[in-house]
Amino acid sequence: AQTVTQSQPEMSVQEAETVTLSCTYDTSESNYYLFWYKQPPSRQMILVIRQEAYKQQNATENRFSVNFQKAAKSFSLKISDSQLGDTAMYFCAFMKEGGSEKLVFGKGTKLTVNP
Amino acid sequence: DAGVIQSPRHEVTEMGQEVTLRCKPISGHNSLFWYRQTMMRGLELLIYFNNNVPIDDSGMPEDRFSAKMPNASFSTLKIQPSEPRDSAVYFCASSLARTGSHYTFGSGTRLTVV
Repeated sequence: AQTVTQSQPEMSVQEAETVTLSCTYDTSESNYYLFWYKQPPSRQMILVIRQEAYKQQNATENRFSVNFQKAAKSFSLKISDSQLGDTAMYFCAFMKEGGSEKLVFGKGTKLTVNP
Repeated sequence: DAGVIQSPRHEVTEMGQEVTLRCKPISGHNSLFWYRQTMMRGLELLIYFNNNVPIDDSGMPEDRFSAKMPNASFSTLKIQPSEPRDSAVYFCASSLARTGSHYTFGSGTRLTVV
């Protein structure tokens, strides 16, 4: 079974600075998808970014980018120019290709952006 | 589109009572998922449906939990009888039934069983 590990339960960053959240996963699959979801205090789960494992290019979405290292099974999220609204729980998630569409989530990292 | 709609947003009930959580997925999405979120266990998949058919219910904790999807626009998760350890946030999510499709989540139902 796939597992997703987020080793940083909590992190903080100053507004306008850059922060990187770590995620590692364990799988024997060769093709799969990785996601980062954000959960602000409102509780809503919001997709931040998605990466296809067969694409070597790292995904980016505005201030959010990933560092995908397939051999190391690592998928970190970089947030540039941090804003107060980025304060949230961030969850890394894995989905294998084909068959099941189940998302397996890590335990999350609580990020606080300080003014 | 209004997104995935869950009701109620909060539910407080007494131990032993029946609880029903409701979900309306995004129109056109044909996969629906129920997750439970707790501090101890994080986000756990309880059950998911594809085209209204339950595909995997291996995450349903015990027989007290049941889920139905009578049509493409409605699903329920029922707990009978409820216990204090069922207290959690329950999320419904939907997606297009294509591998790699991301989920759209509802706002969740916070259930407290006293």
